[in-house]
Amino acid sequence: GAGVSQTPSNKVTEKGKYVELRCDPISGHTALYWYRQSLGQGPEFLIYFQGTGAADDSGLPNDRFFAVRPEGSVSTLKIQRTERGDSAVYLCASSLTPLGGYNEQFFGPGTRLTVL
Amino acid sequence: GNSVTQMEGPVTLSEEAFLTINCTYTATGYPSLFWYVQYPGEGLQLLLKATKADDKGSNKGFEATYRKETTSFHLEKGSVQVSDSAVYFCALSQLSGTYKYIFGTGTRLKVLA
Repeated sequence: GAGVSQTPSNKVTEKGKYVELRCDPISGHTALYWYRQSLGQGPEFLIYFQGTGAADDSGLPNDRFFAVRPEGSVSTLKIQRTERGDSAVYLCASSLTPLGGYNEQFFGPGTRLTVL
Repeated sequence: GNSVTQMEGPVTLSEEAFLTINCTYTATGYPSLFWYVQYPGEGLQLLLKATKADDKGSNKGFEATYRKETTSFHLEKGSVQVSDSAVYFCALSQLSGTYKYIFGTGTRLKVLA
C-alpha cells in the first residue's frame, strides 16, 4: 500500500515569503506528526494531530508556524514570513492511534525547505 | 525532560567488521525504544524496536537490547556490508500524551569494501 507522501519534495523560497507543506498520511492512520530535521541533527517534534485536532503543538518554534488537518487526513504545515533559519527538512509521520506506550510511526520522504 | 544521546560519528568500518552504535536515554517510566535508518536520498525507515525492558529488537542482522539498568539501547551488527552505509537514529517514544518521538542526533556509518 501507499506510504506517507509529502509535497513538494523541495521548496526554495525567499526570506519573508509564505510557504505551505503538505502531508498525505497512510490511509486509516489517525495520528499525524510533523518534525523538523536540521542539517546534521535528528528530527525534532513540531506538532501532533489526533484526528482533526492539534493535540500537542508544543514543538512549534513560534507563531509563524501553523498546521491544520481539517478532515482528519491530509495535513498542511504553514510557515509565514519565512526566515533563513527555517531552512530544514520537514518530515511528516503517521501512525495508528497510540496505545499503551507503543506507537510505530511511518515517515514520509520529507520536504526540503530552503529559504534564501 | 526526556532525551536520547547517541555516539557521535562518523563511524568508518571495513566490510565484515563488527558494529556497535551506542545509545542511552533519559526518560520517566519505561518508554518504547527504536532505531531508525536513513539511507542516502531516502526517508527514515524503522530498523527495529523494543517496547519493554530486556526486549531484544532485531532486523536485517542488526540487534539492540532494551537495558533498563543502564538506560541503553545499543545497536549491534556482527558483520557489516557496504549497503549498511547510512545514518542511524535512536529514538524513544513517550508512554502517554502525544507519543511523540525524541531522537538522538544520528550516527553516520560508512562501510568500505
